[in-house]
Amino acid sequence: QKEVEQNSGPLSVPEGAIASLNCTYSDRGSQSFFWYRQYSGKSPELIMFIYSNGDKEDGRFTAQLNKASQYVSLLIRDSQPSDSATYLCALMNTGFQKLVFGTGTRLLVSP
Amino acid sequence: DVKVTQSSRYLVKRTGEKVFLECVQDMDHENMFWYRQDPGLGLRLIYFSYDVKMKEKGDIPEGYSVSREKKERFSLILESASTNQTSMYLCASSFPRQGSSYEQYFGPGTRLTVT
Repeated sequence: QKEVEQNSGPLSVPEGAIASLNCTYSDRGSQSFFWYRQYSGKSPELIMFIYSNGDKEDGRFTAQLNKASQYVSLLIRDSQPSDSATYLCALMNTGFQKLVFGTGTRLLVSP
Repeated sequence: DVKVTQSSRYLVKRTGEKVFLECVQDMDHENMFWYRQDPGLGLRLIYFSYDVKMKEKGDIPEGYSVSREKKERFSLILESASTNQTSMYLCASSFPRQGSSYEQYFGPGTRLTVT
């Protein structure tokens, strides 16, 4: 089992809809969780991070963490074509400063 | 804003050449990382460094070495480039200040082709 699992997609949503991206992980000791956005041919850019159970909102983005069920999700409200990218989920393991990345979910937002 | 720069966006080298990839960050970050990214395999950690002259192997260190002589600069070295090292190379940095969640900031990447 991979440490971080994401559906590769593509996830297709119409413009204005809510896009829901999910990530599950295997290490219960994982402490912090990160969402990165990566446009084709570009490097990952940090969207947000979360380390407490529940929701964390930042503009159109909401990260949700459920440690008991070992999943973290990213909701994108009012999706725009410019949101079309690959979204990487990452976590930091207990006692380390390294991040472990999933392989990403490709999101396509159609006009 | 955090700025991480890499010496080249695109690089073409021949098999057997020694290749140097440079990364510089301007935010006084303690931690620096080198990854490679390949389709279907995601980001894989090659080496990382917590401090000057300090280095730790990541998940795929074979065929690579690193150097960190100054805090702001972290170099990746391919001792003898091979075609299976053709990839996108990404440098990242983070700052383990108290309260930080160790988020990493990435450079623009170097797309290396070994022929």
